[in-house]
Amino acid sequence: AQSVTQPDIHITVSEGASLELRCNYSYGATPYLFWYVQSPGQGLQLLLKYFSGDTLVQGIKGFEAEFKRSQSSFNLRKPSVHWSDAAEYFCAVVPNSGGYQKVTFGTGTKLQVIP
Amino acid sequence: DVKVTQSSRYLVKRTGEKVFLECVQDMDHENMFWYRQDPGLGLRLIYFSYDVKMKEKGDIPEGYSVSREKKERFSLILESASTNQTSMYLCASSPSGQGDYEQYFGPGTRLTVT
Repeated sequence: AQSVTQPDIHITVSEGASLELRCNYSYGATPYLFWYVQSPGQGLQLLLKYFSGDTLVQGIKGFEAEFKRSQSSFNLRKPSVHWSDAAEYFCAVVPNSGGYQKVTFGTGTKLQVIP
Repeated sequence: DVKVTQSSRYLVKRTGEKVFLECVQDMDHENMFWYRQDPGLGLRLIYFSYDVKMKEKGDIPEGYSVSREKKERFSLILESASTNQTSMYLCASSPSGQGDYEQYFGPGTRLTVT
């Protein structure tokens, strides 16, 4: 069955430390891939997306993600975390199979940043 | 700046009440969506609409209905609210066009049914 998995429910990092959030998918063909962020009390905002081409994607707020076909992964990274990055992060996928396809979201990873 | 607004941030209703959640977008987007968000379950699609008066069921439509009479407005209706519908409800919109799946979200409505 098609699915998207975020194995980490909660992650805590120190301010200034590096961050990697994991996302794995299970689809027949490489889907379109997205990362969204939800700050407390807010809706979701798109950080970055991957459709094709360069496997390292740059996004807003200093985030990047790397698509690895061999691992069916699309992990989100940031070299130095700021306190304002504390939020919940969602990976999302859309099947790349023509026509309109609905977006499937992962269950989210909540990031806590400690001083 | 693109904007999706939802009529209420917080709502408390009683079991059996009819509940309306309103969503308005100002981006002239064709597609609109209603999700519910629960801890550990992520976002689950309730209904979506790709045009005025058109609607499609999502993954969890039971107990909900929707209305889209105007392009900018998409309403979620709980015909008879139940306690298991206590949740965060998120509205989103996106433009049509194959390959453009970015969704723009409203701030959410936290609904409590007592």
